[in-house]
Amino acid sequence: AQTVTQSQPEMSVQEAETVTLSCTYDTSESDYYLFWYKQPPSRQMILVIRQEAYKQQNATENRFSVNFQKAAKSFSLKISDSQLGDAAMYFCAYRTSSRNNNDMRFGAGTRLTVKP
Amino acid sequence: DTGVSQDPRHKITKRGQNVTFRCDPISEHNRLYWYRQTLGQGPEFLTYFQNEAQLEKSRLLSDRFSAERPKGSFSTLEIQRTEQGDSAMYLCASSLWLGQANEKLFFGSGTQLSVL
Repeated sequence: AQTVTQSQPEMSVQEAETVTLSCTYDTSESDYYLFWYKQPPSRQMILVIRQEAYKQQNATENRFSVNFQKAAKSFSLKISDSQLGDAAMYFCAYRTSSRNNNDMRFGAGTRLTVKP
Repeated sequence: DTGVSQDPRHKITKRGQNVTFRCDPISEHNRLYWYRQTLGQGPEFLTYFQNEAQLEKSRLLSDRFSAERPKGSFSTLEIQRTEQGDSAMYLCASSLWLGQANEKLFFGSGTQLSVL
């Protein structure tokens, strides 16, 4: 079974600085999708960025980028120029490419604090 | 359209009572998912619908849980004979499924259930 591990329960960053959140996963599949979701205090999960495993190029969305290391099964999120609004829980998630399985597996999350 | 809405936002009930939650997805979305999230954990998949058909149920969904999406629009999740272990946040998400597993899920703000 696929598992997702986020080894950092909490992280903090100074406003305008850069922070990297770690995520590792376990799978025997070669084709899958990886996601980072943000959950602010409002509780609504928001998709930050996604990566297809067959793509070697790391995904980027404005200040958010990933470092996808397929062999190491690592999928870290880098937030550049951190803003106060980035403070939230961040969840890494894995999903198989199989159409027969729609179970998206989430990690336990990392709480990010942004210091002014 | 303001996104995925869930009602109620909070629910407090006594052990043994039945509760029902409602989710209204984004109007053109054909898929609807239910997740459960306990404190300090990421969301766990419960079940999902494609239009009105319930296509998959997690082992987490015991016989006391039932979900419906009668007209392929809103969905309800009912828990019968609630137990204290049912206390959690119940998240709903919807998506426009076009055949790819990297579909974008849009989440609601959840219903926080407390069973006393």
